[in-house]
Amino acid sequence: DQQVKQNSPSLSVQEGRISILNCDYTNSMFDYFLWYKKYPAEGPTFLISISSIKDKNEDGRFTVFLNKSAKHLSLHIVPSQPGDSAVYFCAASGGNKLVFGAGTILRVKS
Amino acid sequence: GAGVSQSPSNKVTEKGKDVELRCDPISGHTALYWYRQSLGQGLEFLIYFQGNSAPDKSGLPSDRFSAERTGGSVSTLTIQRTQQEDSAVYLCASSPTNGGNIQYFGAGTRLSVL
Repeated sequence: DQQVKQNSPSLSVQEGRISILNCDYTNSMFDYFLWYKKYPAEGPTFLISISSIKDKNEDGRFTVFLNKSAKHLSLHIVPSQPGDSAVYFCAASGGNKLVFGAGTILRVKS
Repeated sequence: GAGVSQSPSNKVTEKGKDVELRCDPISGHTALYWYRQSLGQGLEFLIYFQGNSAPDKSGLPSDRFSAERTGGSVSTLTIQRTQQEDSAVYLCASSPTNGGNIQYFGAGTRLSVL
């Protein structure tokens, strides 16, 4: 069973515009959520996180929104840059491990 | 070291052979995790070590898979009698505490079973 879902396998955005990546989860026991970014042939790198007691966390161009009632979180990147092109993974934690979504490939066109 | 180090970066093996994958976590990190990513899939949890506690092996897909962590530092993931479905990228991560905190990943080992 997929507890964390990223329903969009890919997203293409024009440079300078906003990128919105979405993630849904099913387990209400998750208490911490993270976004990771992955370039080819590299490991995932941590981007931004949010605790379940918050609904928004912002870090520079990156903002994560959490809607607990909908069990939905999103990552906003604004303005998008070509260097943001990568695979983005949503992850959730409720214990000793992270549960990852399948990832969304973001392509930022210049 | 500065980050999580994994070796080898690539491994090609024949079906039925055993393989060992190595992970060197960030110095001082007490928690160590193994994940694998099959083609087109997300990261799948395999096993978790925290200090001297018994590891959480709940993600290991079969008894052909095992892992150990010696001296609370380096970890080795062993796959016995490899099968073609074992082909994946095996990722190791470490974190300074257990559960809910940021995990720092290595670049992974790409395993190809022919």
